[in-house]
Amino acid sequence: RKEVEQDPGPFNVPEGATVAFNCTYSNSASQSFFWYRQDCRKEPKLLMSVYSSGNEDGRFTAQLNRASQYISLLIRDSKLSDSATYLCVVKAAGNMLTFGGGTRLMVKP
Amino acid sequence: DTGVSQDPRHKITKRGQNVTFRCDPISEHNRLYWYRQTLGQGPEFLTYFQNEAQLEKSRLLSDRFSAERPKGSFSTLEIQRTEQGDSAMYLCASSYTRGSEPQTTMGYTFGSGTRLTVV
Repeated sequence: RKEVEQDPGPFNVPEGATVAFNCTYSNSASQSFFWYRQDCRKEPKLLMSVYSSGNEDGRFTAQLNRASQYISLLIRDSKLSDSATYLCVVKAAGNMLTFGGGTRLMVKP
Repeated sequence: DTGVSQDPRHKITKRGQNVTFRCDPISEHNRLYWYRQTLGQGPEFLTYFQNEAQLEKSRLLSDRFSAERPKGSFSTLEIQRTEQGDSAMYLCASSYTRGSEPQTTMGYTFGSGTRLTVV
């Protein structure tokens, strides 16, 4: 079983739609959580950290459920420019980030 | 210094040759990480340094792989006797960490990567 699991997609949605991605992690000792965005043939870039209380950044909302070891990302009012791969990332007591395989989003006009 | 730099951006090599990649982290960052990413997968951890000390290595890092960060600034990743399975994007990232970093919520800054193709 992978340490961080995501549905690879692709999720094909029309502009303006709301889309949600989920992620589960296996290490209950995980301490920090992030969503990264990766465009085709580019490096991953930090989209947002995920806090226990949930957090919002514009059209993006992240939620963490430690009991279920589950992380989510909600994107409202999708834009064409949101098309990318979204990587769920977890950091345990060690020092490296563990990445999920990514969920591909395609927003269509 | 505006980000993490990696060189070269692309490398095509014949099987059996040695290759070396360089990473220049953000100057004030004391931690440097190497990851490998293949098509359709997320990045996989290879190794990381705090200053010049290599503190952790993944089981993915076979004996053919070696990484150095001799002065705690730039790092090199060398692959000896390359195999076709080594073809991937090699990503470098850096971060700043104080002490034991128990509650950090900061991610890493990645470089643009070196895309290796072994033919």
